[in-house]
Amino acid sequence: GQSLEQPSEVTAVEGAIVQINCTYQTSGFYGLSWYQQHDGGAPTFLSYNALDGLEETGRFSSFLSRSDSYGYLLLQELQMKDSASYFCAVSGGFKTIFGAGTRLFVKA
Amino acid sequence: DVKVTQSSRYLVKRTGEKVFLECVQDMDHENMFWYRQDPGLGLRLIYFSYDVKMKEKGDIPEGYSVSREKKERFSLILESASTNQTSMYLCASSRGQDNTGELFFGEGSRLTVL
Repeated sequence: GQSLEQPSEVTAVEGAIVQINCTYQTSGFYGLSWYQQHDGGAPTFLSYNALDGLEETGRFSSFLSRSDSYGYLLLQELQMKDSASYFCAVSGGFKTIFGAGTRLFVKA
Repeated sequence: DVKVTQSSRYLVKRTGEKVFLECVQDMDHENMFWYRQDPGLGLRLIYFSYDVKMKEKGDIPEGYSVSREKKERFSLILESASTNQTSMYLCASSRGQDNTGELFFGEGSRLTVL
């Protein structure tokens, strides 16, 4: 089967750096992606890693280690608007399976 | 601007009723998906379709069926709604086999079954 593990909640201070980890067990793995969802909104795509290493997009970076079945999302210079839920997801073939999500609280 | 549109944001139905949730995308995407989202459980895949008239079961298909008669439209059907199907339902689409992991989601349909 497929499963993903990520922390349920993370709290950080505005301006800080936070890392959200994700470990997965899956077959037919193509890549690991990250989504952001604000309360009442739709999930929106943040990043995708198909190969090992770090991908950077502005304040957000995502890392993948295929050998460790592990990845993380790194958010820098946290802003209040980053308070949201973050989901890791694995893609395999046509399917994308999501983790349960990490709720990020950013404090002033 | 890419768009996935779900027909109803909020629905209230009674146990045993037949429920249709409609989803339309304007991006000419081959793949379409239905997820349900529940607190603490994340997004769980119900069904997906990679082509017109094609459908595949996801992780929790029981109690649901789908229809994809046209490329742009993917419908989720609850033949006989039950209270445990009260949830947020999210439709998504993505490009064909160029799976870069990017799904485009609709705004969701919050279904309450009484």
